[in-house]
Amino acid sequence: SQQGEEDPQALSIQEGENATMNCSYKTSINNLQWYRQNSGRGLVHLILIRSNEREKHSGRLRVTLDTSKKSSSLLITASRAADTASYFCATDVKETSGSRLTFGEGTQLTVNP
Amino acid sequence: DAGVIQSPRHEVTEMGQEVTLRCKPISGHNSLFWYRQTMMRGLELLIYFNNNVPIDDSGMPEDRFSAKMPNASFSTLKIQPSEPRDSAVYFCASSRGRSVVYEQYFGPGTRLTVT
Repeated sequence: SQQGEEDPQALSIQEGENATMNCSYKTSINNLQWYRQNSGRGLVHLILIRSNEREKHSGRLRVTLDTSKKSSSLLITASRAADTASYFCATDVKETSGSRLTFGEGTQLTVNP
Repeated sequence: DAGVIQSPRHEVTEMGQEVTLRCKPISGHNSLFWYRQTMMRGLELLIYFNNNVPIDDSGMPEDRFSAKMPNASFSTLKIQPSEPRDSAVYFCASSRGRSVVYEQYFGPGTRLTVT
């Protein structure tokens, strides 16, 4: 099963609204990363949060991490049509070595103008 | 910086043919990853290299798939013989280090269609 699972699978909002996406995982992690993928393009790294951090901000992005619940959320404030994309969380597994990340299935965000 | 470069961007081939996908990582990055993305299975890690050495190839689906990294600036993913179920978008990504604290930079992908 997926180490990281996003919720919801799809989200449609109006421009200016906030968008919240959630990610749950099963095993202990070193860090959790969020990526964005525009249609037909490669993934782009958004933000990384370490297991000892609880919240991180980057521009209009806010990421939280709750290791006790094994979950993370990505909040995009004041959304724009250009934010329309798929958003993936990616986790490493503490027991493994190296740089292996496991990606969730993603949340498809549509921001309507 | 040009970013991760992949070629070709699109490949259409017939079942049974050999397919070779190419990747040039970002200069100075010493980890390279090959992923496959499909609607059914999402994004799957196939193999990754560190300092040109394969570290984990457990995601390679079967012996028809092979990957090489002869030097720090070039890697190939080969499928021989190709099958229709190999149709997918194949991404190459690179990162600065082996540790998971480093972000990965993805190429634009190669869309492979096997008929």
